[in-house]
Amino acid sequence: QVQLVQSGAEVKKPGASVKVSCKTSGYTFSDFYIHWLRQAPGQGLEWMGWINPNSGGRHFPQKFQGRVTMTRDTSVSTVYMELGRLRSDDTAIYFCARELFSGSIDAALYSWGQGTMVTVSS
Amino acid sequence: QSILTQPPSASGTPGQRVTISCSGSSSNIGKNTVYWYQQLAGAAPKLLIYSVNQRPSGVPDRFSGSKSGTSASLAISGLQSEDEAAYFCAAWDDSPNGPGYVFGPGTTVTVL
Repeated sequence: QVQLVQSGAEVKKPGASVKVSCKTSGYTFSDFYIHWLRQAPGQGLEWMGWINPNSGGRHFPQKFQGRVTMTRDTSVSTVYMELGRLRSDDTAIYFCARELFSGSIDAALYSWGQGTMVTVSS
Repeated sequence: QSILTQPPSASGTPGQRVTISCSGSSSNIGKNTVYWYQQLAGAAPKLLIYSVNQRPSGVPDRFSGSKSGTSASLAISGLQSEDEAAYFCAAWDDSPNGPGYVFGPGTTVTVL
């Protein structure tokens, strides 16, 4: 079955970077866009962008441009999200999520990773 | 401050019908489709509805979605105890800064 398994919790200092991985299995990696989202403690969901695992193409909202990088390694069916210049308000659970339909960037996010807690604290 | 607005809470007794509203604008719900997610405590969100009123496989038909103008609604009929969760609406927003996928703040449903 489709699985997205994320890397473990991280604690980082302000100004540092964090890289979260999302290892996929159970489907053809290159066929489905992957999105990244985050959820601050007790808050709602915030979309951070998507990556096309086939081409490596990606799109981020303006808020994260210049600070977020999304990459993929097709040999291990894994996507990565790196967020730089961390601040305390970046403390959140970070999720990867796969589209429902292949080749689509509708953002019908059907399969989710378990989440990775990133804590930014001095 | 969310671009989409939802009531913070809703409640009902088992078997009742509960409706959750999601209000947006002409740049999001007014021109794009709507999604609904359910998030149980401590879990990742789950897609309940896409394309306004379509359910992915495995989602009970007790959940239904609709849209009118710049607002959308999620209805839960035959409320069950396992429906106690947070519910988020989402839509693409065509802002001047480029398209973004935006969420409502969430509605917590309590089964009394």
